[in-house]
Amino acid sequence: QKEVEQNSGPLSVPEGAIASLNCTYSDRGSQSFFWYRQYSGKSPELIMSIYSNGDKEDGRFTAQLNKASQYVSLLIRDSQPSDSATYLCAVTAPGGYNKLIFGAGTRLAVHP
Amino acid sequence: KAGVTQTPRYLIKTRGQQVTLSCSPISGHRSVSWYQQTPGQGLQFLFEYFSETQRNKGNFPGRFSGRQFSNSRSEMNVSTLELGDSALYLCASSPGTGHETQYFGPGTRLLVL
Repeated sequence: QKEVEQNSGPLSVPEGAIASLNCTYSDRGSQSFFWYRQYSGKSPELIMSIYSNGDKEDGRFTAQLNKASQYVSLLIRDSQPSDSATYLCAVTAPGGYNKLIFGAGTRLAVHP
Repeated sequence: KAGVTQTPRYLIKTRGQQVTLSCSPISGHRSVSWYQQTPGQGLQFLFEYFSETQRNKGNFPGRFSGRQFSNSRSEMNVSTLELGDSALYLCASSPGTGHETQYFGPGTRLLVL
């Protein structure tokens, strides 16, 4: 079992729709959870961080964390073609200070 | 604040050579982490430095090493390059308390021929 799992996609949504990206992790001791966006040929860019159960909203983005189910999600409302990218879920390893464990990423394609 | 900078941005080496990559973190950040990204393995953690000490290490061979200077700038070195070392090498900086947001630099793309 991989430590952080994501559907590789591509996830295709029409412009203006809600895109839902999901991630599960295996280590119950994980404390910090992040969503990064990566455009082709570029480095990862932070979208959201979340540390406690529940929802966290920032503009069109909402991150949801459920530690009991070991599940993190990212919702993108009013999706735009510029949101087309690979979305990486990352989790800090317990006791690992800043060691991030990444999922393989989900490719999102927003079509006009 | 200026972001994370990495040099060089692109590098071509041949098998058996060694390479040194440099990373300057965001001003005030004391932690620098290094990651390797390849199409097959994705993003993998190499090591983290904090206050000039290696605080954490990933599962990479000893050919991969690093160091951090007193101004928090960091270098990573790969000796005896192999074809499989071709990758995007990313460094990320953070304040250093742990389990915190990391900000990535633009990366160094290494091609080993």
